[in-house]
Amino acid sequence: AQTVTQSQPEMSVQEAETVTLSCTYDTSENNYYLFWYKQPPSRQMILVIRQEAYKQQNATENRFSVNFQKAAKSFSLKISDSQLGDTAMYFCAFKGTSGTYKYIFGTGTRLKVLA
Amino acid sequence: DVKVTQSSRYLVKRTGEKVFLECVQDMDHENMFWYRQDPGLGLRLIYFSYDVKMKEKGDIPEGYSVSREKKERFSLILESASTNQTSMYLCASRGTGRGNEKLFFGSGTQLSVL
Repeated sequence: AQTVTQSQPEMSVQEAETVTLSCTYDTSENNYYLFWYKQPPSRQMILVIRQEAYKQQNATENRFSVNFQKAAKSFSLKISDSQLGDTAMYFCAFKGTSGTYKYIFGTGTRLKVLA
Repeated sequence: DVKVTQSSRYLVKRTGEKVFLECVQDMDHENMFWYRQDPGLGLRLIYFSYDVKMKEKGDIPEGYSVSREKKERFSLILESASTNQTSMYLCASRGTGRGNEKLFFGSGTQLSVL
């Protein structure tokens, strides 16, 4: 069974600094999708970034980038130039492609950006 | 952009009551989901629907049922609410096919069962 592990329940970072959130997963599939979702205090879950496993290049969305290490089954999120609006819960998620509809979510990392 | 609307932001119910949580999406998505979010446990799938009147159990369906009579609406039903169903409930939807893996979420319903 697939699993997603986020080992950092809470993190903090100073405004304008860089922070990396960790995520590891376990799967026997060769192709799959990985996601980072952000849930701010408003509770609206928003997609931050996604990665397709067959793509070697790490995904980037403005200040957000990932370090995707397929062999190590690692998918970390780097937030550069942290802003107060980045304060949120961040969830890593996995979705296989073998006829499954299921998304497997990690337990989340609560990130606080300090002024 | 896609809008997923959950009818209530907060709900307080009594043990044994029948509870309806409603979710509506406006982008003609085939797939809709109900998740439960608890601290330290992440999001757990309760039920999934891939078409009108079609549903599949997720990982924690016990104590819940669902209804999808129209494509845009997916309802979660607690037949007899219990205190261990106090939680945040999130609805999500997505389209079908490659390139439509992104889930769109509602703002959640915080349910308290007393």
